[in-house]
Amino acid sequence: GENVEQHPSTLSVQEGDSAVIKCTYSDSASNYFPWYKQELGKGPQLIIDIRSNVGEKKDQRIAVTLNKTAKHFSLHITETQPEDSAVYFCAASGLNDMRFGAGTRLTVKP
Amino acid sequence: DAGVIQSPRHEVTEMGQEVTLRCKPISGHNSLFWYRQTMMRGLELLIYFNNNVPIDDSGMPEDRFSAKMPNASFSTLKIQPSEPRDSAVYFCASSFYPRDRGDGYTFGSGTRLTVV
Repeated sequence: GENVEQHPSTLSVQEGDSAVIKCTYSDSASNYFPWYKQELGKGPQLIIDIRSNVGEKKDQRIAVTLNKTAKHFSLHITETQPEDSAVYFCAASGLNDMRFGAGTRLTVKP
Repeated sequence: DAGVIQSPRHEVTEMGQEVTLRCKPISGHNSLFWYRQTMMRGLELLIYFNNNVPIDDSGMPEDRFSAKMPNASFSTLKIQPSEPRDSAVYFCASSFYPRDRGDGYTFGSGTRLTVV
């Protein structure tokens, strides 16, 4: 089955700086890669996703890149704000499974 | 839409007791998932329903766990008897598409279960 690794496990940045979270996956059949943001006491919320036929996708301050050959994808957050502080999860989905990374706790210091 | 609704938000129970977690998916969503989240194991899929039918229950830890979806708007996850190692946050998620379509899921706010 699919195995997703996520790094780093914790990330602390200054407000206004950029944050990058990286994930790798093992199953070459995976074709859908969502990112979720989980705030304290809440469920994960989908913030952006990308399919395998696309290399990059942007939504305001958030972007995701995908390298299918290397089997890795990344989340980029620019101009970080304190409200970006949360746990972020990557996931990889194929025919029969969606597997989640272990999560990255992002702290944005004002 | 009110989103995926889970109840209760918190549950504290004694070891050996039966626990029932409830979920109301988003109206019109045909897929429903139960996940368990712990620090050690992260987010784990327990069971996946499509059109109210259990499709994949390979993640259900053992016979103490059971899940039902009697109709399109309601699902339960039952643990009987509960054990301290079942303590976790349990999430229900729903999606319009079947799992192999791979679209993002909408998660509920979760039920934090503590078994003492």
